[in-house]
Amino acid sequence: GQNIDQPTEMTATEGAIVQINCTYQTSGFNGLFWYQQHAGEAPTFLSYNVLDGLEEKGRFSSFLSRSKGYSYLLLKELQMKDSASYLCAVRGGATNKLIFGTGTLLAVQP
Amino acid sequence: GAGVSQSPSNKVTEKGKDVELRCDPISGHTALYWYRQSLGQGLEFLIYFQGNSAPDKSGLPSDRFSAERTGGSVSTLTIQRTQQEDSAVYLCASSLSISYEQYFGPGTRLTVT
Repeated sequence: GQNIDQPTEMTATEGAIVQINCTYQTSGFNGLFWYQQHAGEAPTFLSYNVLDGLEEKGRFSSFLSRSKGYSYLLLKELQMKDSASYLCAVRGGATNKLIFGTGTLLAVQP
Repeated sequence: GAGVSQSPSNKVTEKGKDVELRCDPISGHTALYWYRQSLGQGLEFLIYFQGNSAPDKSGLPSDRFSAERTGGSVSTLTIQRTQQEDSAVYLCASSLSISYEQYFGPGTRLTVT
């Protein structure tokens, strides 16, 4: 089966940098996604990694190490609006479906 | 362009009743997914459809849950004889194909009383 672990909650300060980690176990890995979900809203796509390395997209970057089963999402120049849940999701397994972690609730403080 | 739409946005039903939830995916997206999210929890995979292939139903929690996708577009998730533990937000997503990122609809909040 598939298993995804990420911290439940994190707190950071406006303007700072925060790194949200995700570890996973899966057979037949076929990509890792990060989604952002504000309270009461649907998840929105942030990033996709299928090869090792860093993918940068503006203030957000995502890193993947397939050999370690590890990814992180890096948020720079934090803004209050970045307060949200960040969901790590892995595609793999026998049916190649996307399995989501329980999410990391990030609180950005002034 | 138009995103994924779902209806109704909210549904309150009595225990034991059947409910139908509807999802209209983004036009041209061949893959469609249903998830369930309970308060403060992650997304629980329910079922996905990919083109004309047989759907992956491995996430459906019981035989009271079923889904269909007509004409490769609109999908309906049906819950029969609803129970209080079925109360959750039901999210639909679609993607160009299974390898691409998913776009989520606003969800249907189901409350079983």
